[in-house]
Amino acid sequence: AQSVTQPDIHITVSEGASLELRCNYSYGATPYLFWYVQSPGQGLQLLLKYFSGDTLVQGIKGFEAEFKRSQSSFNLRKPSVHWSDAAEYFCAVGAGQGSYIPTFGRGTSLIVHP
Amino acid sequence: KAGVTQTPRYLIKTRGQQVTLSCSPISGHRSVSWYQQTPGQGLQFLFEYFSETQRNKGNFPGRFSGRQFSNSRSEMNVSTLELGDSALYLCASSLRTSGNTGELFFGEGSRLTVL
Repeated sequence: AQSVTQPDIHITVSEGASLELRCNYSYGATPYLFWYVQSPGQGLQLLLKYFSGDTLVQGIKGFEAEFKRSQSSFNLRKPSVHWSDAAEYFCAVGAGQGSYIPTFGRGTSLIVHP
Repeated sequence: KAGVTQTPRYLIKTRGQQVTLSCSPISGHRSVSWYQQTPGQGLQFLFEYFSETQRNKGNFPGRFSGRQFSNSRSEMNVSTLELGDSALYLCASSLRTSGNTGELFFGEGSRLTVL
């Protein structure tokens, strides 16, 4: 079975600073990887996804993530954080074609200082 | 295109009562999944319904049940509520076609408080 680890429970950055949220997965084959964001009081929204091909994927709101097979990682990055990016971020892994139930990490809470 | 709609958004119950939550998926989406979200346990998968049949089930007691109707709308029920059932219950819909890869579209959730 697949699993996901988000090592950081909380991350604090200053507005305008760069951001990297870590995600490590465990799965025997090439996984399907997702990043979701949850703003306070809201459901989860898909930021980006990786299925195959280019290992650097672009998402919404200026986010990108890089798939590194050798490190079993799929870290989320943003060059300049805005105060509105403060939210909970979830990494998720699917077990490939035909797997409809992704496994979610515990989430990383992003705090943005002005 | 309307998103996933969950009702009610907030509710308060007492121990021992039961509760029913409703979820209307995005039009055309035939798969509905339910998740429980708590600060301590994170996002926990409850079950998934597709074509009115439960296709996947998480590790929750039998007090948690669900169903799906012919129009793809889904309900989940929790009987004999316990304090630990206090949580945000999230519904997610997806296409669940052969090319689908697990991308989910979430509703805003139903916040249940058990007193």
